[in-house]
Amino acid sequence: QKEVEQNSGPLSVPEGAIASLNCTYSDRGSQSFFWYRQYSGKSPELIMSIYSNGDKEDGRFTAQLNKASQYVSLLIRDSQPSDSATYLCAVNSPGAADSWGKLQFGAGTQVVVTP
Amino acid sequence: DGGITQSPKYLFRKEGQNVTLSCEQNLNHDAMYWYRQDPGQGLRLIYYSQIVNDFQKGDIAEGYSVSREKKESFPLTVTSAQKNPTAFYLCAVRDRGGDTQYFGPGTRLTVL
Repeated sequence: QKEVEQNSGPLSVPEGAIASLNCTYSDRGSQSFFWYRQYSGKSPELIMSIYSNGDKEDGRFTAQLNKASQYVSLLIRDSQPSDSATYLCAVNSPGAADSWGKLQFGAGTQVVVTP
Repeated sequence: DGGITQSPKYLFRKEGQNVTLSCEQNLNHDAMYWYRQDPGQGLRLIYYSQIVNDFQKGDIAEGYSVSREKKESFPLTVTSAQKNPTAFYLCAVRDRGGDTQYFGPGTRLTVL
């Protein structure tokens, strides 16, 4: 079982609609959760971080965390063609002392926003 | 992140050659990481370093080596022992006091 799982997509979203991306993780001890956006051929860039259960909003992006169910999601409101990218979910890996600061990444969900 | 540079942007390697990828940062962060990304796959950790003169193997360290002689620099050598080195290599730093990681622009390595 992969430690961080995401639907690979592609997720096709009409312009102006809401894109909903999901991520599940296996380590119940994880405390830090991140969403990165990666354009084709480029490196990942941080969009959101979330640490507490509930919602966190930043502009058109909302991250949602449910630790009991071990999932984290990302909503993109009013989707734009510039949102077309792969979105990576990352979760920290607590445990042994030398694993502090390590992140586990999902394979990413490709989002395609159609005009 | 403008404070993290990787060079070269593209690198071509012949079979049996060792090549070194550069990663430099001016953010004064202690922890640095090397990842490999293959098409359709997530990032896999190769090596990481939390402090100068110390580093640990990640999940796929075989065929790679690193050094951390300076805080600003964390070069990765892809040795001839790495059988399938063609991939996108990403260097990251972790911000102080937290576990958010920021990535450099990456190096795309192709074996000819």
